[in-house]
Amino acid sequence: AQSVTQLDSHVSVSEGTPVLLRCNYSSSYSPSLFWYVQHPNKGLQLLLKYTSAATLVKGINGFEAEFKKSETSFHLTKPSAHMSDAAEYFCVVITPNFGNEKLTFGTGTRLTIIP
Amino acid sequence: DAGVIQSPRHEVTEMGQEVTLRCKPISGHNSLFWYRQTMMRGLELLIYFNNNVPIDDSGMPEDRFSAKMPNASFSTLKIQPSEPRDSAVYFCASSFDRPGGNTIYFGEGSWLTVV
Repeated sequence: AQSVTQLDSHVSVSEGTPVLLRCNYSSSYSPSLFWYVQHPNKGLQLLLKYTSAATLVKGINGFEAEFKKSETSFHLTKPSAHMSDAAEYFCVVITPNFGNEKLTFGTGTRLTIIP
Repeated sequence: DAGVIQSPRHEVTEMGQEVTLRCKPISGHNSLFWYRQTMMRGLELLIYFNNNVPIDDSGMPEDRFSAKMPNASFSTLKIQPSEPRDSAVYFCASSFDRPGGNTIYFGEGSWLTVV
């Protein structure tokens, strides 16, 4: 079984300040973890992924996430927020299951950037 | 690569009409997913194909919904008859099975409004 919890449904930060979007997961086996971003009226775009290699993963647009097995967390961070970062962010987990892998999505975190 | 291609991008139809959504996965990918996104329920997996075979259709809401994948480069999601509660964004996604985890790529979505 697998699940993912995004701890904040809405985060607001000022432009130029750090961003932290929190994600906790549970998985029976070694999971793969992803962050996707969805801008208004757009599809989902992959930001970054963790697949059992380096625990600190760098993605596009200056985002990064750290896989912490002991805390079952995969929080998304960015040192300095930009107005264009305003979007919905989804944390996703997938567990190996012999060809029957399914993604489990978090409920999403809406990021608002204050000018 | 052109990415996952969905059509139509927007559709407005009357209740009772048949709706067909189309998807072309990324060339070489062997897994295809159909998702539905609504404000109330977030992202829901409707059906998952692997090598053109439906693996898990437990998310298909009811008999009005059907999905096919006649070949590796094309899939359809059909709603017949459509109802207003089917109004949502329908996303198609594809991936390639490989050790170490998959990356799932999403299309831009089909915005369906049933009036």
